[in-house]
Formats: sequence, C-alpha cells, structure tokens
Amino acid sequence: EAQVTQNPRYLITVTGKKLTVTCSQNMNHEYMSWYRQDPGLGLRQIYYSMNVEVTDKGDVPEGYKVSRKEKRNFPLILESPSPNQTSLYFCASTQDGLAKNIQYFGAGTRLSVL
Amino acid sequence: GDSVTQMEGPVTLSEEAFLTINCTYTATGYPSLFWYVQYPGEGLQLLLKATKADDKGSNKGFEATYRKETTSFHLEKGSVQVSDSAVYFCALSYSGGYQKVTFGIGTKLQVIP
Repeated sequence: EAQVTQNPRYLITVTGKKLTVTCSQNMNHEYMSWYRQDPGLGLRQIYYSMNVEVTDKGDVPEGYKVSRKEKRNFPLILESPSPNQTSLYFCASTQDGLAKNIQYFGAGTRLSVL
Repeated sequence: GDSVTQMEGPVTLSEEAFLTINCTYTATGYPSLFWYVQYPGEGLQLLLKATKADDKGSNKGFEATYRKETTSFHLEKGSVQVSDSAVYFCALSYSGGYQKVTFGIGTKLQVIP
C-alpha cells in the first residue's frame, strides 16, 4: 500500500529538548515537504526537498532542520523546541511525471512544547 | 505572490443539503487548482483537481470548475452526507519540476443528521 508514514503521532516535550519527527514514503517520490497546520493559518510549508541531499526553506523554516540522506526518508529536527512550535505537523511526498504536484500526506504529528 | 482565499467556517449543513464552499485565487501565472480533504485525525488527501481554465474536476459527488474570468474554483456537492464532515482545502500549484503548493486556510464542514 502506497503511504507516507510519520512517527510519532503524538509528542509532548519540554522547551529546549531536541526532538526528531520521522517521515518515510514507499512510493519512490523525489519530492518531499514538511508543513505545520495552525488554526486560522492553514498549512504553511517549513522545508522541502527535491531529491537526496537537496533541501530548501519553505515559508516558516526558523527553528527547524531537515535532512535527506535517503530518498524515502525526510526527518524533521527541532534542535531546541519552543512553545510557539506547538502545532500539528504533516509530511508530504509529491508524485512525479504527468501527475506532478499531487501531494500525498502522512497522518500528522501533534506536538506540544511545554 | 500567489494566494488562495476561502472561508474558515465552520459550515454546518443538514444531511442531503446542497454544499458550496467558495475558493478564489490570485496567481501570477496559469496554475493547476486542487481541492484536498482532511477527515478527522487524518492527513490531507486529494479530492479533485483541474489543470486549465473551464476544466471541471469531480470525485465522490463533489465538483469544481476552473473559472479563469472570476479566478474561482468553488466546491459543490448536490447532497451531503454525515461522512462528508471534514476540513476542505483549496490549493494551487504550477506544473514543471517541483512547484510549491499554496493552500487556503481550510473550511470546516459539519453535516448533521
């Protein structure tokens, strides 16, 4: 089954404690993205990747890092989380070819930073 | 830059009512337009899309027509069900290589029996 898998689904942490949210896709997609979803703001892109070792900032990259060492994985790293990073996070991968720009989303990670 | 505008809601309808969720956009070029749906506790999934002016996208009884003259892509369904309760996102993107997707804020739909 084609899917994007995020872990964990729920996470409560404290300010300053480094954390990583993992994302993996089994569709061999080149393009992957991270979004955060906040009430009244919709989805905002944090980072995206066009291929292995190729990443770039989205609209709200401050306080986040990413890496793309393998095509299937695109982890999101919060080196020193702060309360304003409390949000719902989604990873997405994008289909290539004629159906480009159809995004496939993971189920989401709800993060609370105390 | 590009933007997508839709009401946040919630939109509350009785089962079998007619649904319209408005979406307008501002674009610098000629984008493709999308509707994504997010069911409770899940990620977004593509509902329908249209790639050029006057195209109609349709899926699961939902329809939307790409109107270039009014820069709109309104979502409609003739008879909603309780299972349609979800958040609906309008979005635009361009073809050719990787192109960023611009999302609206999402419209929450609640269908009551």
